[in-house]
Amino acid sequence: AQSVAQPEDQVNVAEGNPLTVKCTYSVSGNPYLFWYVQYPNRGLQFLLKYITGDNLVKGSYGFEAEFNKSQTSFHLKKPSALVSDSALYFCAVRDENFGNEKLTFGTGTRLTIIP
Amino acid sequence: DTGVSQNPRHKITKRGQNVTFRCDPISEHNRLYWYRQTLGQGPEFLTYFQNEAQLEKSRLLSDRFSAERPKGSFSTLEIQRTEQGDSAMYLCASSFPGPTPFEQYFGPGTRLTVT
Repeated sequence: AQSVAQPEDQVNVAEGNPLTVKCTYSVSGNPYLFWYVQYPNRGLQFLLKYITGDNLVKGSYGFEAEFNKSQTSFHLKKPSALVSDSALYFCAVRDENFGNEKLTFGTGTRLTIIP
Repeated sequence: DTGVSQNPRHKITKRGQNVTFRCDPISEHNRLYWYRQTLGQGPEFLTYFQNEAQLEKSRLLSDRFSAERPKGSFSTLEIQRTEQGDSAMYLCASSFPGPTPFEQYFGPGTRLTVT
């Protein structure tokens, strides 16, 4: 089984401050981890992924995420938030088992950047 | 735009009617996925195709739901005898082939409202 938890429904950050959106996961094997962003009336947009290798992954729009195996976490970060980063963010996990193509998503975190 | 497209974008139907949605994936992608997203939740996996073969189905996909991808290109999702609980956003995604876990690219979704 695979699951994802996003413990915060809402995160508010002042513009220019660093932001963190939290994600923890559970899988039976090794995880493949993804972050997506959803803007109103638009589909999910891929931000970044962790497959293997370096624990710090860099993605689109200045976002990065850190994979921590011991804490089973994959938190999304950005050094300096922009108002345009305000959106709904989803973490997703896939177990490495061959043939498992299903992504399991968290319930989402609404990020609001305050000008 | 060469992204994933979905039609229609919105569908309002009366309970008991049948509805069909279409998804056109990115042309070089051989994997296609259907997800359902309800308000306040992350997307939930419904089914997955590799070329024309339907390889995985969620238990969420009751016998009223059927998906096809007859020529390995576009896909359709049909819901028979719709119920109010079927009201949701139906998302389609596609990805590259290969052993590396490529990210899934999502379409804008079809919003279904059952009255």
